[in-house]
Amino acid sequence: DTAVSQTPKYLVTQMGNDKSIKCEQNLGHDTMYWYKQDSKKFLKIMFSYNNKELIINETVPNRFSPKSPDKAHLNLHINSLELGDSAVYFCASFETGEETQYFGPGTRLLVL
Amino acid sequence: DQQVKQNSPSLSVQEGRISILNCDYTNSMFDYFLWYKKYPAEGPTFLISISSIKDKNEDGRFTVFLNKSAKHLSLHIVPSQPGDSAVYFCAATTGRRALTFGSGTRLQVQP
Repeated sequence: DTAVSQTPKYLVTQMGNDKSIKCEQNLGHDTMYWYKQDSKKFLKIMFSYNNKELIINETVPNRFSPKSPDKAHLNLHINSLELGDSAVYFCASFETGEETQYFGPGTRLLVL
Repeated sequence: DQQVKQNSPSLSVQEGRISILNCDYTNSMFDYFLWYKKYPAEGPTFLISISSIKDKNEDGRFTVFLNKSAKHLSLHIVPSQPGDSAVYFCAATTGRRALTFGSGTRLQVQP
């Protein structure tokens, strides 16, 4: 019974394409995040939503657009994919007052 | 601008010995620190945390030490086991919001 799930797990696509990654959490948490792990293995925050409202938007190109249809879902749409977008994208969820964020398994995106 | 640094990309220890993983930070506003463990092709999983008002937190074989004046924290694993082999990430946050991660240390525990 997966707490935070992401689809797809792997995504290989061509430059210029548009793609979406989906995230779902069944923990009843009120906050969800997208992190990017680049080639140097740093995990960096991209976006955060609390109760469907955007609360963190780091310096991310506007080709990236998060969407939260409800508290349990946070999707990431990427337009006009570039080579530098190749990375592992992790979704995480968090409940205010708890100790830690829970991470999904990651989506490995490769842009050719 | 790396606010959280893990200067050792890898560490190898013998089974049964102590593993010490280090982490330094620069942002004095951080008030909560966490260690995550990550296996290949999986997301990070929470290991242990410490609030900035404490200097030590222990959970079984895992102990985290915080030295605020030095802006340094460390994770001690005693005794180390082969199953502990993974990448360990140090993370810090302000007000329990988004995490700022270090670059990770790959721990290899030799049987």
